[in-house]
Amino acid sequence: AQSVSQHNHHVILSEAASLELGCNYSYGGTVNLFWYVQYPGQHLQLLLKYFSGDPLVKGIKGFEAEFIKSKFSFNLRKPSVQWSDTAEYFCAVNAAYGGSQGNLIFGKGTKLSVKP
Amino acid sequence: DTAVSQTPKYLVTQMGNDKSIKCEQNLGHDTMYWYKQDSKKFLKIMFSYNNKELIINETVPNRFSPKSPDKAHLNLHINSLELGDSAVYFCASSATSGSSYNEQFFGPGTRLTVL
Repeated sequence: AQSVSQHNHHVILSEAASLELGCNYSYGGTVNLFWYVQYPGQHLQLLLKYFSGDPLVKGIKGFEAEFIKSKFSFNLRKPSVQWSDTAEYFCAVNAAYGGSQGNLIFGKGTKLSVKP
Repeated sequence: DTAVSQTPKYLVTQMGNDKSIKCEQNLGHDTMYWYKQDSKKFLKIMFSYNNKELIINETVPNRFSPKSPDKAHLNLHINSLELGDSAVYFCASSATSGSSYNEQFFGPGTRLTVL
């Protein structure tokens, strides 16, 4: 069965610190990979996605992620976080092909708290 | 323009009642989804639906049923509500072709509280 693991439950950083959130997935076929962000009280917004091509993907708000196929990983990074990045971050995968390809499998989320 | 909208935003009801949550998307997408986010923020797929196929997560109780009057709407009906149904329910939609293929757009969520 497909699964997604996010290693950190809660990350606390000071402003300007660098961020890396881990994400590993388990799936036997070709996948699409996503990072979503959920600001307090708001809905999910897409930060970035990987379907194919360059494994280093750049998203909105200065975020990027690197797909390492051999490690089944898709870690999220940002060189310098801001207080406004305080949110819950979700890694998700879905199957690139097949009948249920749309269904996103989410990790349990990582809460990021940025201290001003 | 709101891409994916849900009503109501908040829903408080008694155990045993039947309720519905509505979802509409104006993106022209052909697939819609319902997700449940529990108190620990864990998101889980409940259903995906396009005009050809309904895929049900086998762990979803049959008290939950999606109803799609047309491509732009996927409503969620819940019968005999239980305390454990309290959660935030998110609707989403995606296209199966085009530049945003397979990218899901989420609605604002409906916070359901069962007393």
